Amino acid sequence: GAGVSQTPSNKVTEKGKYVELRCDPISGHTALYWYRQSLGQGPEFLIYFQGTGAADDSGLPNDRFFAVRPEGSVSTLKIQRTERGDSAVYLCASSPAFGTGPTGELFFGEGSRLTVL
Amino acid sequence: ILNVEQSPQSLHVQEGDSTNFTCSFPSSNFYALHWYRWETAKSPEALFVMTLNGDEKKKGRISATLNTKEGYSYLYIKGSQPEDSATYLCALAGSYQLTFGKGTKLSVIP
Repeated sequence: GAGVSQTPSNKVTEKGKYVELRCDPISGHTALYWYRQSLGQGPEFLIYFQGTGAADDSGLPNDRFFAVRPEGSVSTLKIQRTERGDSAVYLCASSPAFGTGPTGELFFGEGSRLTVL
Repeated sequence: ILNVEQSPQSLHVQEGDSTNFTCSFPSSNFYALHWYRWETAKSPEALFVMTLNGDEKKKGRISATLNTKEGYSYLYIKGSQPEDSATYLCALAGSYQLTFGKGTKLSVIP
């Protein structure tokens, strides 16, 4: 189907390594979100894109985390110098347009499970 | 800051039983309340988005209500089936960010 696609589905890395997680949203969806679910917690907001620009990156935990969406479609979440505490499921979601705002549902991918050893 | 509490944390029911769980919040300062179902190895799927006090929504055997004055939403499942086994997430929408609860994990025993 033409849902939100995330790769890789699983990533195991060593502490200190660099990781990239990719999200391919539903075609035509202008809004894109990254969330992170740590063990025992609900998903937590990381960053929101409207088109190519990051409209709100207030959820990024520190400057080791960065995300881009250069052409307004695919987005990449980049994590530098990974730490064990970064282990989590990273979820990407998209929605049709900013105009649907908070009353519109989000369409999620299956997530990328990151394990930092 | 929006705070979302879900209870119970986990729940086991027999196939055919009806069940319900709760999402509670101390403040009604949000735009909408979302319910999502997240099955293992799949993506979270939207069930309902509710905006008004007194909202009631239904999809098949699943329904939800919203009471913003008293600060809760209930999700009901009638005649639970094994395929209903999943984690049910409640989230409050403050502009474009969702603040999620920790979820209720439902296991339906055949």
